[in-house]
Amino acid sequence: NAGVTQTPKFRVLKTGQSMTLLCAQDMNHEYMYWYRQDPGMGLRLIHYSVGEGTTAKGEVPDGYNVSRLKKQNFLLGLESAAPSQTSVYFCASSTQNSNQPQHFGDGTRLSIL
Amino acid sequence: EDKVVQSPLSLVVHEGDTVTLNCSYEVTNFRSLLWYKQEKKAPTFLFMLTSSGIEKKSGRLSSILDKKELFSILNITATQTGDSAIYLCAVPNTNAGKSTFGDGTTLTVKP
Repeated sequence: NAGVTQTPKFRVLKTGQSMTLLCAQDMNHEYMYWYRQDPGMGLRLIHYSVGEGTTAKGEVPDGYNVSRLKKQNFLLGLESAAPSQTSVYFCASSTQNSNQPQHFGDGTRLSIL
Repeated sequence: EDKVVQSPLSLVVHEGDTVTLNCSYEVTNFRSLLWYKQEKKAPTFLFMLTSSGIEKKSGRLSSILDKKELFSILNITATQTGDSAIYLCAVPNTNAGKSTFGDGTTLTVKP
C-alpha cells in the first residue's frame, strides 16, 4: 500500500545545477500538490494540479516548473538551483474534492551548496 | 488572499499536561478546516471540522470549530512524549482546488 512516493529522499546540488523531483501516487487521485517546508514556516504551496495535463501556480512558484503528463505522476523541476531553494519538499495528493484530507509523501530533503 | 494563523508557534510542556493549540482563519468560501500531525516525515490527517460547536474526538485529542469567530482549537489532554510533533492547520479553498496551511505549532513534551 504505497500511497504517495517521492524520489529521491535526499539530494545535494551545486548552485546552477538542475534536477527533477518525482512524485507518484497509486490512489487514483485527481489533485496533486508540491510544497516546500522551511523551519518555522509551515507548508508553502509551490505548484499544484487539478488533473492530468493541467498545472497552476501556488504561492511560491518562482524558480520551479512542474508537469503532470500522467495522472499518477507529478514532477517538480529546478532549472538552475539556488541556495534559497534548500528546503524539504513534500508532495501530496487528494481526491477531486479538495475539501478532503491530503495524503503526503515522506519528503525530499534538498540542499543547494 | 486566504490566511491561516496558528498560535503559539512553539510550546514546551511536561508529560501529563494539557495543551490547547489555536488556529484562526480568513478565507473565502469556507467549507472545512483540517488538522494534521507531522512527526519526523509526512503530515498525517487528524480531524476535519465543518460545523461550529461539534467536537471531534480521538483518544486524548479533540478539536472544535467556531465559524462565527473564525477559529479552531486542538486540545491534547494528559500529553505523552509521543505527542511531540508539529501540528498543522489547513483550510481548503474549494473553488481553487488548493489549501492554505498555517505555519504550524511545534509541540515538545518532556518526560
